[in-house]
Amino acid sequence: NAGVTQTPKFRILKIGQSMTLQCTQDMNHNYMYWYRQDPGMGLKLIYYSVGAGITDKGEVPNGYNVSRSTTEDFPLRLELAAPSQTSVYFCASSDSTGPSYNEQFFGPGTRLTVL
Amino acid sequence: GQNIDQPTEMTATEGAIVQINCTYQTSGFNGLFWYQQHAGEAPTFLSYNVLDGLEEKGRFSSFLSRSKGYSYLLLKELQMKDSASYLCAVWPSNDYKLSFGAGTTVTVRA
Repeated sequence: NAGVTQTPKFRILKIGQSMTLQCTQDMNHNYMYWYRQDPGMGLKLIYYSVGAGITDKGEVPNGYNVSRSTTEDFPLRLELAAPSQTSVYFCASSDSTGPSYNEQFFGPGTRLTVL
Repeated sequence: GQNIDQPTEMTATEGAIVQINCTYQTSGFNGLFWYQQHAGEAPTFLSYNVLDGLEEKGRFSSFLSRSKGYSYLLLKELQMKDSASYLCAVWPSNDYKLSFGAGTTVTVRA
């Protein structure tokens, strides 16, 4: 299993540009999450999903959108990038059943800089 | 929401023991996770406590007191590779989303 994969690893955007951060998991997890982590800070939840077709806002959703058309994929869309969105973005997934119920597995992260 | 408090930084010597405390306030509680995050990398799972008491896994142990809203992660026989940030995460009841603390950066010195 590859676990949770994210692309790209690094990206530099200009103010006002848009991009999509990709996230895929091959563990058949129902729950998926997007977090951002600013330097020296904890993880802030942006959006989450309990299954295909269902998404909901977390603590800091402004400036972002998500979709969940399949169990495996959970892309995060940034529209009109702003310097405040400079951060490291982590995608995570967790199982809704079984012995590792709710243990979150994280992707390697995308380091985004908006200039 | 959940108020989660852990120290910002700790420094210890190679071979020593360090205890990272985490206190939390939540209206309902399912369990508590500890994650390790090396600089520039993703968090990885260390331990999960749901019942009161100590869970031991090799050099790492985690303790929980539900009545006190308190947990600690104990790192024994510290190695240089243990230099990392340690995140405490609370799983509240009636939810599946975790609330993460800001993390404790542990620096191990030779």
